[in-house]
Amino acid sequence: ILNVEQSPQSLHVQEGDSTNFTCSFPSSNFYALHWYRWETAKSPEALFVMTLNGDEKKKGRISATLNTKEGYSYLYIKGSQPEDSATYLCAPTGGSYIPTFGRGTSLIVHP
Amino acid sequence: GAVVSQHPSRVICKSGTSVKIECRSLDFQATTMFWYRQFPKQSLMLMATSNEGSKATYEQGVEKDKFLINHASLTLSTLTVTSAHPEDSSFYICSAVTSGDTDTQYFGPGTRLTVL
Repeated sequence: ILNVEQSPQSLHVQEGDSTNFTCSFPSSNFYALHWYRWETAKSPEALFVMTLNGDEKKKGRISATLNTKEGYSYLYIKGSQPEDSATYLCAPTGGSYIPTFGRGTSLIVHP
Repeated sequence: GAVVSQHPSRVICKSGTSVKIECRSLDFQATTMFWYRQFPKQSLMLMATSNEGSKATYEQGVEKDKFLINHASLTLSTLTVTSAHPEDSSFYICSAVTSGDTDTQYFGPGTRLTVL
């Protein structure tokens, strides 16, 4: 089981603000990293999977970067909207090919 | 596509009874399904990995006789919490991966179990 840290634990922003949060993981024996978005009362939904150092992925206003050498990934949301309110989970995978989930960052976007 | 259902969404039972939770992949065949448990304000903790037609692989510290997992078909896995006790009260959630996409997990909506 990997040691996965996500920060901050929670975040309140105003509509229109841009925001970012971090996922830290052991840099050794890295295979892949997934970001999931989990809205209340819904199923977690896959956002991105990244495997290569320097990877950048984008989906609408949400983007993510990956640094496997130092063991972190950033998730960015540009111009946050109330519908972006959710918990964002990262899940790196090591040599066992089984992902380990962080506790998540809870984002609340106020209108 | 890639929808996973989970049933029931919420269950309340008496201590000592057994509870079965079903996880179904509705529009794809799931070669592997995962069962997670989440305590309040904690991360998703993997309980076991279930492959169709074979015995589940349990994570360290998870009692296989307590949490029975059956993956009888490519679209259905069940988790049975046997002789449930109040400490088993938790949020249980399953996920599935397809044979063509072994990385991304598709999650069910979860089951809230309360044992009285």
